[in-house]
Amino acid sequence: GEDVEQSLFLSVREGDSSVINCTYTDSSSTYLYWYKQEPGAGLQLLTYIFSNMDMKQDQRLTVLLNKKDKHLSLRIADTQTGDSAIYFCAESKGGYQKVTFGTGTKLQVIP
Amino acid sequence: GAVVSQHPSWVICKSGTSVKIECRSLDFQATTMFWYRQFPKQSLMLMATSNEGSKATYEQGVEKDKFLINHASLTLSTLTVTSAHPEDSSFYICSARDQGGINEKLFFGSGTQLSVL
Repeated sequence: GEDVEQSLFLSVREGDSSVINCTYTDSSSTYLYWYKQEPGAGLQLLTYIFSNMDMKQDQRLTVLLNKKDKHLSLRIADTQTGDSAIYFCAESKGGYQKVTFGTGTKLQVIP
Repeated sequence: GAVVSQHPSWVICKSGTSVKIECRSLDFQATTMFWYRQFPKQSLMLMATSNEGSKATYEQGVEKDKFLINHASLTLSTLTVTSAHPEDSSFYICSARDQGGINEKLFFGSGTQLSVL
């Protein structure tokens, strides 16, 4: 079955880069996502990458995918206090298939 | 952007009572809605997929008679936790997919914290 794992916590200083890592087990995953959850709020899709891509950049966000190692990372450049939240990695086998979420990484940004 | 409204945000109830949680898509039609359960420091666990006008599809291990799902319209799905017990205490989140959209158009409610005494 699907299994998506992340470290639970990351602390960085404001202005530094944050790198949040994720591993998944299902090699048939075709979509990989990063979601952000702020306190008391729902999940917000930040970005996604297709499994045939190695990298995707969107403003301060860079997603790297190592399909061989089933490793996904999210890099946030110039991290701000407003980036403090829980970040979920997720995967699905297709655009209409169910999405399986990781355990979430709590990012704490220190001013 | 698209908005999914989930109500209530939190609810406290006595053991044995039933609780209904609503999930509404405010500015789009959602043929498919999903219900998740989230435990502290754990991932979102998909409970069921709700399709408008048909029976919900439950994930393995989720009791359909315990967690009743109704998706009567393109903008509303409800989850009723029947005969709630303390072990049902959890954070429940719904999501809705824009009609015809793929997972990029999956929008989440703000969640409901259920505490069963």
